[in-house]
This record gives sequence, C-alpha cells and structure tokens, in this order.
Amino acid sequence: NAGVTQTPKFQVLKTGQSMTLQCAQDMNHNSMYWYRQDPGMGLRLIYYSASEGTTDKGEVPNGYNVSRLNKREFSLRLESAAPSQTSVYFCASSEGNFESGYTFGSGTRLTVV
Amino acid sequence: SQQGEEDPQALSIQEGENATMNCSYKTSINNLQWYRQNSGRGLVHLILIRSNEREKHSGRLRVTLDTSKKSSSLLITASRAADTASYFCATRYNTNAGKSTFGDGTTLTVKP
Repeated sequence: NAGVTQTPKFQVLKTGQSMTLQCAQDMNHNSMYWYRQDPGMGLRLIYYSASEGTTDKGEVPNGYNVSRLNKREFSLRLESAAPSQTSVYFCASSEGNFESGYTFGSGTRLTVV
Repeated sequence: SQQGEEDPQALSIQEGENATMNCSYKTSINNLQWYRQNSGRGLVHLILIRSNEREKHSGRLRVTLDTSKKSSSLLITASRAADTASYFCATRYNTNAGKSTFGDGTTLTVKP
C-alpha cells in the first residue's frame, strides 16, 4: 500500500519556466490537498479538492493551478515559476469527513533560480 | 489568521524525560490533530481530538484539549531519540469543509 505518491522528489527550475507536480493516492480518499512548506514554518494550503470534480483555493493560490484528474490524482501546475515559489510542496489526502486525518506524500523540493 | 500556534518553537530534552508542547488557536474548532514530521519527510498523523473530548491517549502520547482556553497540549512520555522530529498541530474549523490549518511547529530534540 503506497499511500500518497508525489513526483518528482526534486526539481530545479529557471524563473519563468513551467512545470507540473504530480500526486496520486491509492486509499480511495475523497479529498486531496496541496500545501507548501517554507523553511522553519508550517504548511500553507495552496489548493484543495473536496471531492472528485471540485477544486477550491486555499490561503496562497496565486501563481498556481490545479487539476483533479480523477479520484486518485491531483496535480499542481506552476505556469511561470518565480523564486518566491522555492519551497517544499506536499500533497495530502483524506477521507473528506471531519473525523479523518491527512495522509501526506514525501514532498517535492522545488528550487527556482 | 485562524492558524494554530505551537509553543515552544524548540525543545531539547534527554532520553527518558517527558516532552510537552502546546498549541493555541483563535476560534471554535471541530477538532484538533497532531502530526509529526521527521527531517526531510512528510507529516505523519498522530492523533485527533474532538472538540467535545478533553483528553486522549495513544501509546506514549497524551493529548489534552481545553476549549475554554482554546489550547491543546501534546505530552510524549519516556521520550526516545527516535522521537526527535517537528510536531505540528492542525485545527479543523466547522466552516472549512474538512480543511485543516497548520501551525509553525515545535522542533523536539531528544538527546541519547
């Protein structure tokens, strides 16, 4: 049981380049989330998908787009990367009810130069 | 911000000692969760406590919740070097449809 799988694990981009971070879960969870974590800080929500077919903005959505491709997959796209987007990105999933905790992937460490 | 805040930011103890970290929040919650993050890894869910619960145990972990003070504490008893990690509280509010808001974490170092 893999849980939540994120790819790639590391990425270096030049300013202005675009890329898509992939996330897949195999737990049949309804809800999926994208967070970013900056050094010494907690997680800030970028976008989330409460259920297949829906997406909503979180605290820091500017510069990002998402796609809930199906129940398993939730991708995060940076259209024109900026140095301020240098961070570690975590995907998470949950059953979607108030009682369930989150299962996190191992993260993507992104550097924008 | 509705974000929970952990205290202290950093804690260093000897193996075998107890570690206590606290979380405060600002508005009424549906539940509060604690997570552990080992260096360079994703977060791992430890325990969830509902707003109508006052205390919960899981192995060496004890979580308390005081809704009147809008605070929670995580106690790790008989700590081990393997408990070295960052610990985060996450608050889930009734209006946020399942979203959780994370604090900045407490970094715990357990010295052998």
